[in-house]
Amino acid sequence: KQEVTQIPAALSVPEGENLVLNCSFTDSAIYNLQWFRQDPGKGLTSLLLIQSSQREQTSGRLNASLDKSSGRSTLYIAASQPGDSATYLCAVMGLTGTASKLTFGTGTRLQVTL
Amino acid sequence: GAVVSQHPSRVICKSGTSVKIECRSLDFQATTMFWYRQFPKQSLMLMATSNEGSKATYEQGVEKDKFLINHASLTLSTLTVTSAHPEDSSFYICSARRQGGTGELFFGEGSRLTVL
Repeated sequence: KQEVTQIPAALSVPEGENLVLNCSFTDSAIYNLQWFRQDPGKGLTSLLLIQSSQREQTSGRLNASLDKSSGRSTLYIAASQPGDSATYLCAVMGLTGTASKLTFGTGTRLQVTL
Repeated sequence: GAVVSQHPSRVICKSGTSVKIECRSLDFQATTMFWYRQFPKQSLMLMATSNEGSKATYEQGVEKDKFLINHASLTLSTLTVTSAHPEDSSFYICSARRQGGTGELFFGEGSRLTVL
């Protein structure tokens, strides 16, 4: 059974700092990995999708990497802003049987202070 | 971008009544939609997978007679919470996979259900 863990659970940084969020998964047989952002009381916004054959994806100030063999992904946020404050979730999609399902991590709650 | 709309965003109902939540993909066709439940400060828990034109597949421990799912078209799936009780109060989120896409999922804004 796939298990997804995110570290740290919560993070507070001053504005302008670069930061890294970590995601690890136990089963490396994945189809893709997706990073999401969730604001309080809201749904999920897709940030980046990395296919299993890819090593990284970039969008603006965000860069996500994937090391499938070690079961790890990182989300790098450059020059953080107060508007980046949210919960960040990573999720992996499996290959076999439950191939269509996403298994979510526990999330990292980010607070960017002025 | 792909947009998924959920309605209603908030609903309050009395115990014993049924509540229907709609999930629509606005600018793409979705052969598969997923329904999740999220408790406060916790991650998303998959409830069921909804495939257009066929019966939904429920996760272990989710009562299919309690949570009725209908996926009648490529752009609409509905979740009906039947005979709701206070313990059903939660945040329900749907997601949709674009037909022929990369496997990326797009999520609705969620529906907050409060059962009195």
